[in-house]
Amino acid sequence: GIQVEQSPPDLILQEGANSTLRCNFSDSVNNLQWFHQNPWGQLINLFYIPSGTKQNGRLSATTVATERYSLLYISSSQTTDSGVYFCAVPRERTNNNAGNMLTFGGGTRLMVKP
Amino acid sequence: DTGVSQDPRHKITKRGQNVTFRCDPISEHNRLYWYRQTLGQGPEFLTYFQNEAQLEKSRLLSDRFSAERPKGSFSTLEIQRTEQGDSAMYLCASSLKSASEQYFGPGTRLTVT
Repeated sequence: GIQVEQSPPDLILQEGANSTLRCNFSDSVNNLQWFHQNPWGQLINLFYIPSGTKQNGRLSATTVATERYSLLYISSSQTTDSGVYFCAVPRERTNNNAGNMLTFGGGTRLMVKP
Repeated sequence: DTGVSQDPRHKITKRGQNVTFRCDPISEHNRLYWYRQTLGQGPEFLTYFQNEAQLEKSRLLSDRFSAERPKGSFSTLEIQRTEQGDSAMYLCASSLKSASEQYFGPGTRLTVT
């Protein structure tokens, strides 16, 4: 199956700082999602971004599918941005059952200090 | 659209007991997924339904685990004879079609004592 690696594993920022989180995957994919997991365990959808660039407020994401990576940018970080950020891609390149079973990276644990 | 819901949110059980969790997907979503997440790890896929048909099961899903989606709407995940290693967050997700965005529920946190 496809392997997913995220970096850095841990990140501590001062409020107001910018950061870039990276997601590398081992094979070409036709979809990719970024999530934020809050302290209560809820996975919150940030981006569905198989390719290209998207922006949502202070967050933006870029996926370069041909080079097998995606980046999540957080600008002007706030304490509420703290939590774990996951990227997820399809478990396999092709799937005969037409499902989209996701493989997650290990996550980036972000702490934003006031 | 009320999102994916799961019940209960927390479950504490003694080793050897059976537990059952429920997931209600977003109403028009015909695809439903179960994942398990242990502390410090990303979620791992367990099983997948398209309507009422269970089309894929992970090797993580031992014989003690069974999942159903009888009418293609809500789903249940049952664990028989629970073990301490079953302690984890159990997450449910749904999507409208394959290769499309999945939406996750709040999860059921299971603790086996």
